[in-house]
Amino acid sequence: DAGVTQSPTHLIKTRGQQVTLRCSPISGHKSVSWYQQVLGQGPQFIFQYYEKEERGRGNFPDRFSARQFPNYSSELNVNALLLGDSALYLCASSQIQGNADTQYFGPGTRLTVL
Amino acid sequence: QKEVEQDPGPLSVPEGAIVSLNCTYSNSAFQYFMWYRQYSRKGPELLMYTYSSGNKEDGRFTAQVDKSSKYISLFIRDSQPSDSATYLCAMSGGGSYIPTFGRGTSLIVHP
Repeated sequence: DAGVTQSPTHLIKTRGQQVTLRCSPISGHKSVSWYQQVLGQGPQFIFQYYEKEERGRGNFPDRFSARQFPNYSSELNVNALLLGDSALYLCASSQIQGNADTQYFGPGTRLTVL
Repeated sequence: QKEVEQDPGPLSVPEGAIVSLNCTYSNSAFQYFMWYRQYSRKGPELLMYTYSSGNKEDGRFTAQVDKSSKYISLFIRDSQPSDSATYLCAMSGGGSYIPTFGRGTSLIVHP
């Protein structure tokens, strides 16, 4: 079975631009979470979606938004990019909401903001 | 003070050594404890998961949780160069299943 897939792999943007990152969960998984991992730090929680509804939001500004589609794939949008948004953006999927032990991560999208 | 503290290392050991990786935490509500391995430029991979206190063993890996001391450990026996990676601890609880991660410890196992 395919694991969690994310696209694109790498992305370079300039300050003020907008970016959309995409995630496809493992087949059968209905929950998707997004994390930001700055170099040298652990992942920081951004959003969790389950059955197309937002179920959790981390301490990130309103420039960050996300959605989940009927096929359970998800998009993360970041507006008005800042240099500090440069990071690895990770998507994780799980079968149902809440099972931390069954959360599987994708390879991430590396975003560089110049 | 961060909720989860983890020494970033790097920790350098010879092949075959026993490795001890540790995290401390401050939130007594944490009940679920995880260890992830992350290779360079890859996503984290779940290695071990434990609930509440105690030990759990899986092959060369042993996870220990001491809730009274708010201290968790991951032991790797007979370490191999392929174990070279960043090891992240994570924990959750208190009504939230969203894991809080440590910053990770970089492990280097040299032949």
